[in-house]
Amino acid sequence: AQTVTQSQPEMSVQEAETVTLSCTYDTSENNYYLFWYKQPPSRQMILVIRQEAYKQQNATENRFSVNFQKAAKSFSLKISDSQLGDTAMYFCAFMKHAVGNTPLVFGKGTRLSVIA
Amino acid sequence: DSGVTQTPKHLITATGQRVTLRCSPRSGDLSVYWYQQSLDQGLQFLIQYYNGEERAKGNILERFSAQQFPDLHSELNLSSLELGDSALYFCASSSRPQGRSGNTIYFGEGSWLTVV
Repeated sequence: AQTVTQSQPEMSVQEAETVTLSCTYDTSENNYYLFWYKQPPSRQMILVIRQEAYKQQNATENRFSVNFQKAAKSFSLKISDSQLGDTAMYFCAFMKHAVGNTPLVFGKGTRLSVIA
Repeated sequence: DSGVTQTPKHLITATGQRVTLRCSPRSGDLSVYWYQQSLDQGLQFLIQYYNGEERAKGNILERFSAQQFPDLHSELNLSSLELGDSALYFCASSSRPQGRSGNTIYFGEGSWLTVV
């Protein structure tokens, strides 16, 4: 079974600074997807970024980028130019590739506070 | 807006009662997932349906059941409700494995269930 570990329960960052959230996972699969989801105080689950395991290039979405290290099974999220609206719980998630897809396996989350 | 629609948004009911949560997936998505998130907890996978058939089962109680209908909408039935069932219930759907958003899971806004 796959597991996802987020070792930082809480983090804080000053507005406009850069912060990196850590995530490691354990799997014997070779073909899979990794995601970061953001859950603001509204509790909505918002997709931040997605990475396909077969792609070596790290995914980027505006101020959000990942450092995907497949051999090390590491998938960290970097938030540049942090904004107050980035304050949220961030969940790292793993999905095994299959026809019809498979459920996401989530880490326990990292609560990020952006301080003005 | 993720395109996943959940109703009702909020529900208050008494212990021992039965409720039904409804989910309409994104247009064209065949997979529907149900997750439970209790206060300050991570996301617990309950069950997945793919094109009308049960695909995967997680930590779903026997008092809970779900189904996916021919039009692909899904319902989660919760019966003999207990105080501990109070939680945010998410429905999510995933896209076909094609295009930039392929194999990505999108979440609805959730249904808040309070059992009193």
